[in-house]
Amino acid sequence: NAGVTQTPKFQVLKTGQSMTLQCAQDMNHEYMSWYRQDPGMGLRLIHYSVGAGITDQGEVPNGYNVSRSTTEDFPLRLLSAAPSQTSVYFCASSPGVLTYEQYFGPGTRLTVT
Amino acid sequence: GENVEQHPSTLSVQEGDSAVIKCTYSDSASNYFPWYKQELGKRPQLIIDIRSNVGEKKDQRIAVTLNKTAKHFSLHITETQPEDSAVYFCAAGTGATNKLIFGTGTLLAVQP
Repeated sequence: NAGVTQTPKFQVLKTGQSMTLQCAQDMNHEYMSWYRQDPGMGLRLIHYSVGAGITDQGEVPNGYNVSRSTTEDFPLRLLSAAPSQTSVYFCASSPGVLTYEQYFGPGTRLTVT
Repeated sequence: GENVEQHPSTLSVQEGDSAVIKCTYSDSASNYFPWYKQELGKRPQLIIDIRSNVGEKKDQRIAVTLNKTAKHFSLHITETQPEDSAVYFCAAGTGATNKLIFGTGTLLAVQP
């Protein structure tokens, strides 16, 4: 199993550009989440999903969209990037039934200039 | 809204000493409390977790305690080693949604 994969590893955007951060898992996990990590702020939940076709907002959803058309994939879209979205983004997945452990991807470091 | 407070933000101990990190949470519906360790440039990794029907859980040198009445939970690391140096995050959530709210992290430095 590859576990949770994220692409790209690094990305630089200009203000106003759009892009999609990709997240995929091959563990057949029902639950998936997106977090952003900023210095001194810990991990903040952006959006999460409890299964294909179901998504919900986390703590900091503004400026981000998600969809979950398959169990495996959970892309995060930035519609119009802003410097405040400069951060490290982590995707995580969890079986959610017998165990609630979240498995994190390697992260994407995004810089918006 | 839901909130998790974590203290201290930095902690320096001598090798062999114990380290304690404390968290409080606001959502009384929370029933799952994991602790993650994150080394520099790496992804967070689960080191121990506890559910609300248990007051204490141990795994070798690591233990977690939970006081649901006070909405407190703590991480205890005994006989610390230099490789324990990392950032530790607590989190609180509900298993039904797997939605986790994280604390702001504790940078633990173990001095040899």
